[in-house]
Amino acid sequence: QQKVQQSPESLIVPEGGMASLNCTSSDRNVDYFWWYRQHSGKSPKMLMSIFSNGEKEEGRFTVHLNKASLHTSLHIRDSQPSDSALYLCAAIGTGNTGKLIFGLGTTLQVQP
Amino acid sequence: ETAVFQTPNYHVTQVGNEVSFNCKQTLGHDTMYWYKQDSKKLLKIMFSYNNKQLIVNETVPRRFSPQSSDKAHLNLRIKSVEPEDSAVYLCASSFRTGSSYEQYFGPGTRLTVL
Repeated sequence: QQKVQQSPESLIVPEGGMASLNCTSSDRNVDYFWWYRQHSGKSPKMLMSIFSNGEKEEGRFTVHLNKASLHTSLHIRDSQPSDSALYLCAAIGTGNTGKLIFGLGTTLQVQP
Repeated sequence: ETAVFQTPNYHVTQVGNEVSFNCKQTLGHDTMYWYKQDSKKLLKIMFSYNNKQLIVNETVPRRFSPQSSDKAHLNLRIKSVEPEDSAVYLCASSFRTGSSYEQYFGPGTRLTVL
């Protein structure tokens, strides 16, 4: 059983559309969520992080966090073909180890 | 250029051989990590070092051993590789080990065990 669950497994959106990705941790001992993007054949690159309840926006990307339910979501508006990638959610625990626990990811395909 | 560098990019070997992967970061970080990404794209942490000291040692087979000569270098040795070791090995680094410190990943080493 994955401690970090992501949905959907894959998502297809038209260019210019909105993509919404979800992530939930079953481990209550987490205090930070990270979203990474991994293009095919490349290494993961950090997109956004969030640790407070609420919303955080950076350009076309918005993340939400509900700490009570340990649920975070990533929304990409005006999706572009270059956004096509694997989106990985990771949770980090309250201990001081820096140990990221990753979900299986959501594969996003943006169709021109 | 400041980044996380890994060598080799690819390695193909036979079952039972020993392999070593190198990782160097020029970001001035003091914490480094090894992750394994399997064929289903699941990323799992294996080890982490803070200032040459091992701080995370996940349940991995004993044939895996990390080696850190200084805070900018973290190598990974696998003695007697098995077919299930075929994966991409990703090195990462960050400032410290706290939750709020972003981890930067290297390009990865793809290992294929025949």
